[in-house]
Amino acid sequence: DTGVSQNPRHKITKRGQNVTFRCDPISEHNRLYWYRQTLGQGPEFLTYFQNEAQLEKSRLLSDRFSAERPKGSFSTLEIQRTEQGDSAMYLCASSLADSEAFFGQGTRLTVV
Amino acid sequence: GQNIDQPTEMTATEGAIVQINCTYQTSGFNGLFWYQQHAGEAPTFLSYNVLDGLEEKGRFSSFLSRSKGYSYLLLKELQMKDSASYLCAVSGVAGGSYIPTFGRGTSLIVHP
Repeated sequence: DTGVSQNPRHKITKRGQNVTFRCDPISEHNRLYWYRQTLGQGPEFLTYFQNEAQLEKSRLLSDRFSAERPKGSFSTLEIQRTEQGDSAMYLCASSLADSEAFFGQGTRLTVV
Repeated sequence: GQNIDQPTEMTATEGAIVQINCTYQTSGFNGLFWYQQHAGEAPTFLSYNVLDGLEEKGRFSSFLSRSKGYSYLLLKELQMKDSASYLCAVSGVAGGSYIPTFGRGTSLIVHP
């Protein structure tokens, strides 16, 4: 296992389109997190899963954002009706319970 | 809620020592992480402090005082490659588990 993998690495989309990002965590990790990062800021927590259960989603930025982890392995983050303000780096991380989280390389989204 | 404060930017000279401070306020605390992030890359894990005191790991050390809500990251024998953003993250309660919440990061510039 080579770590957390995110796809695509870059995504350019037109305003109003839907986008979906995928994250494959480290295989033995039961916890998976999604963060958003904009320039000059730290990662902003969005949501997380413990196995297939989504335990916190109140910090998703709007109801246009949703995430799934159907079988407790990979996860997807979907943004519907994208807006220019959604342009950011979307980071996925995984961990064993409360231990340190390991991050993927991120998906950089540009909404034009 | 959580509040995490760290300086925005610091500069230091190659070979010197630098201390990056982090103060936090949180409801529910399980520990504090430090991450390093080079421009355009994912955060990488440096240290995790759960108990009060100093943890040393090579050129990097991290200190925690739970009663004061205070931590610092100490970097010794600075190298040019240490120029990066250093992120303080508090492990606090969300959705019934502890999840890392990040500060905005301290941009460290090491000059010759």
